[in-house]
Amino acid sequence: QVQLQQSGSGLVKPSQTLSLTCDISGDSVSSISASWNWIRQSPTRGLEWLGRAYHRSKWYIDYAPSVENRITIIPDISKNQFSLHLNSVTPEDTAVYYCAREVISVAAAGTDYWGQGTLVTVSS
Amino acid sequence: EIVMTQSPAILSVSPGERATLSCRASQSVSSSLGWYQQKPGQAPRLLIYGASTRATGIPARFSGSGSGTDFTLTISSLQSEDFAVYYCQQYKNWPYTFGQGTKLEI
Repeated sequence: QVQLQQSGSGLVKPSQTLSLTCDISGDSVSSISASWNWIRQSPTRGLEWLGRAYHRSKWYIDYAPSVENRITIIPDISKNQFSLHLNSVTPEDTAVYYCAREVISVAAAGTDYWGQGTLVTVSS
Repeated sequence: EIVMTQSPAILSVSPGERATLSCRASQSVSSSLGWYQQKPGQAPRLLIYGASTRATGIPARFSGSGSGTDFTLTISSLQSEDFAVYYCQQYKNWPYTFGQGTKLEI
């Protein structure tokens, strides 16, 4: 059974950096049949895919254009986790942030496991 | 970026009835389409992938159809636990995108 456990600060000041970590159990961050994703949800922007990391003989990391100048996703094989860093935050970045696994195989597809979600509020 | 449009925004139905939810993509996504259910305070739950394949553990009353730009999620006989918000999501092109959701209410 795959489990994703999120941790990180729920309150960030404007212009600072939002940082969250997602610990993986039951799978590997270096799995060749998965990607590891950050998604956020707010009343104004709905569900928004922020970025993903996946390993296929080397690491590939993709970012959504809406945040590509401010975001970094870092996979860590030694800790079996991946992290999100979003800098220069504004109140518009206030949202519930989720980590999630997308399975990519012949037998299955879709984003099938999600973290519990972290409400991040950007406020001074 | 592919824009996903869902209709209706709110669907009022009674338990035991059939519900039909629609999703349209701004360009073809082939069959790279998923449906998710979300209840208050919870993460989205994968129901359907590949436009028509039920995910593990999803009851047979949930079915998906369509390809290209037009998709449908059908719930054949609504149970009380099915009242939630439903989202479609394309994974044909990066960035992946969601629709704005359909709220299924009693």
